[in-house]
Amino acid sequence: DTGVSQDPRHKITKRGQNVTFRCDPISEHNRLYWYRQTLGQGPEFLTYFQNEAQLEKSRLLSDRFSAERPKGSFSTLEIQRTEQGDSAMYLCASSPEEGLHTDTQYFGPGTRLTVL
Amino acid sequence: AQKVTQAQTEISVVEKEDVTLDCVYETRDTTYYLFWYKQPPSGELVFLIRRNSFDEQNEISGRYSWNFQKSTSSFNFTITASQVVDSAVYFCALNAGGTSYGKLTFGQGTILTVHP
Repeated sequence: DTGVSQDPRHKITKRGQNVTFRCDPISEHNRLYWYRQTLGQGPEFLTYFQNEAQLEKSRLLSDRFSAERPKGSFSTLEIQRTEQGDSAMYLCASSPEEGLHTDTQYFGPGTRLTVL
Repeated sequence: AQKVTQAQTEISVVEKEDVTLDCVYETRDTTYYLFWYKQPPSGELVFLIRRNSFDEQNEISGRYSWNFQKSTSSFNFTITASQVVDSAVYFCALNAGGTSYGKLTFGQGTILTVHP
């Protein structure tokens, strides 16, 4: 099976710019998750989708953040008017809806964002 | 609210030593899932093991073993005969809320360095 893929792997942007990240989950995984990880910390949950539906959003997801999964396959995470505090690794994970491993999230390599 | 505490920020051992990584969790839910992930320098989180709250059986997989004790809310991870390739950041995570899916709450991670 192809794992979770994320694009780009690295993004450097200037404060105030908008950025968009893409995540392609493992095929046939209905659930897709976004996390943010800052240096020296564990990942923090941002949001998750079941198919197209966004079922939960963290308070960390401010109005400048928006996530979509329009066709229930890949997902995008957009950050508008980036701030230096947005610098972090953005991780995507997916899990299946059926089978033995519905509770296990498999992670992609992440997108490292640096806001100058 | 859920919380995961990994009290050991960094551990340094010499190859072939055994090492135990501690994880203590807090949740009011009676159904929950516990996980360990490994994050090597490449950055991708690698799933190691999952445990649900109804299964207190300890598990061994090669050089890895896990000790789940509900009485002390702990889910510790032991590497026997450590190797340099075990050097990574290890995260314990909790999924509570009564379903098998949804957000993971991570600990802050333990940096393990294995010296040759």
